Amino acid sequence: AQSVTQLDSQVPVFEEAPVELRCNYSSSVSVYLFWYVQYPNQGLQLLLKYLSGSTLVKGINGFEAEFNKSQTSFHLRKPSVHISDTAEYFCAVSDQGWMAAGNKLTFGGGTRVLVKP
Amino acid sequence: NAGVTQTPKFRVLKTGQSMTLLCAQDMNHEYMYWYRQDPGMGLRLIHYSVGEGTTAKGEVPDGYNVSRLKKQNFLLGLESAAPSQTSVYFCASSARQGEVWNTEAFFGQGTRLTVV
Repeated sequence: AQSVTQLDSQVPVFEEAPVELRCNYSSSVSVYLFWYVQYPNQGLQLLLKYLSGSTLVKGINGFEAEFNKSQTSFHLRKPSVHISDTAEYFCAVSDQGWMAAGNKLTFGGGTRVLVKP
Repeated sequence: NAGVTQTPKFRVLKTGQSMTLLCAQDMNHEYMYWYRQDPGMGLRLIHYSVGEGTTAKGEVPDGYNVSRLKKQNFLLGLESAAPSQTSVYFCASSARQGEVWNTEAFFGQGTRLTVV
């Protein structure tokens, strides 16, 4: 079984300030890691993913995340946020190797980011 | 380029009523999923399908049934709606490409369901 914990349910941040969203996971098998963003009244959009290789992953809209296997973490960062980054952010994992079982995602509870002017 | 389309977008049901949510994808994806989103709980997998004619239970399948008669469609049914099924429902799809997965899931816009 897998679980994903997003340590902050809400993060207020001023425009042009940096932001970090924390994500920890537990799993008995190797996993792929994802961050999704949900803008108000919309579906989820992939920000970035870690499959293998370099532990620093760059995504869309200036976001990046770092995979730390020893700490089972995948924290998301952006050095300077914009008003348009106001959204809910979800960390998710899926098992590696379960090809026949599909790419099922286990999500964290989400972090609401409110960017203030 | 529609991607994943869900219908309806909103629905109010009375307890005990039934309904079907429709998900359609135009990307020829093998895998399709139904999730529900509840505050503070993220998204939880209800049912999923790894191909036409196949379905499987996810984390929270009770009270729901699904069917995938055509590759592009994945239906979610509520036989007897309960207030606990008030939620936002998301359909998603993803591809399988040879030995390397295309691991991105594409999501629909969601269906907001209220059961009173």
